[in-house]
Amino acid sequence: LAKTTQPISMDSYEGQEVNITCSHNNIATNDYITWYQQFPSQGPRFIIQGYKTKVTNEVASLFIPADRKSSTLSLPRVSLSDTAVYYCLVGEYGNKLVFGAGTILRVKS
Amino acid sequence: EPEVTQTPSHQVTQMGQEVILRCVPISNHLYFYWYRQILGQKVEFLVSFYNNEISEKSEIFDDQFSVERPDGSNFTLKIRSTKLEDSAMYFCASSSSQGQNTEAFFGQGTRLTVV
Repeated sequence: LAKTTQPISMDSYEGQEVNITCSHNNIATNDYITWYQQFPSQGPRFIIQGYKTKVTNEVASLFIPADRKSSTLSLPRVSLSDTAVYYCLVGEYGNKLVFGAGTILRVKS
Repeated sequence: EPEVTQTPSHQVTQMGQEVILRCVPISNHLYFYWYRQILGQKVEFLVSFYNNEISEKSEIFDDQFSVERPDGSNFTLKIRSTKLEDSAMYFCASSSSQGQNTEAFFGQGTRLTVV
């Protein structure tokens, strides 16, 4: 199972781009990288998933370098409503998702 | 957008009482899950359910816990005799398939408070 390491917390201001990096040195060949977002008192919500290079959707971009030992979730022009916990998940764990502590993102005005 | 619905949003119960937490997964999903999150801690997997049986469960999911899909729409988690340490947010989730390429959809959660 790939162990992931993320910053415990990050602060940003409205309108800035936020990049959250996740380290996963022992990622396996078949592992995908998935990010979930969790607002206070709500369930986690899927944001984006990728295998290599770059993936972009309406919410975020995911950058994965060639060695795949890390990945960066990029949130363009954050707003106060982006304040949440962001989880990086790597690989497959059978029938379940395994969440770490995540990164607490605080967006200030 | 389809969503997972959980009821109640908040349940207060006395220690030793039985509670049933209810979930309506997304209608065409086949895989169902329960997770819990103790205040300030990680989201923890409890159990996964497919084809009317448990496919995987964690160490937390002991004999006090059970799950059921009583009809074609509901998915329930029962805690037989609640303890103080069962106080947590309980999240139901569902997915259309399994594996790491599958997006899991989570409900808003039920906050269980055991007093």
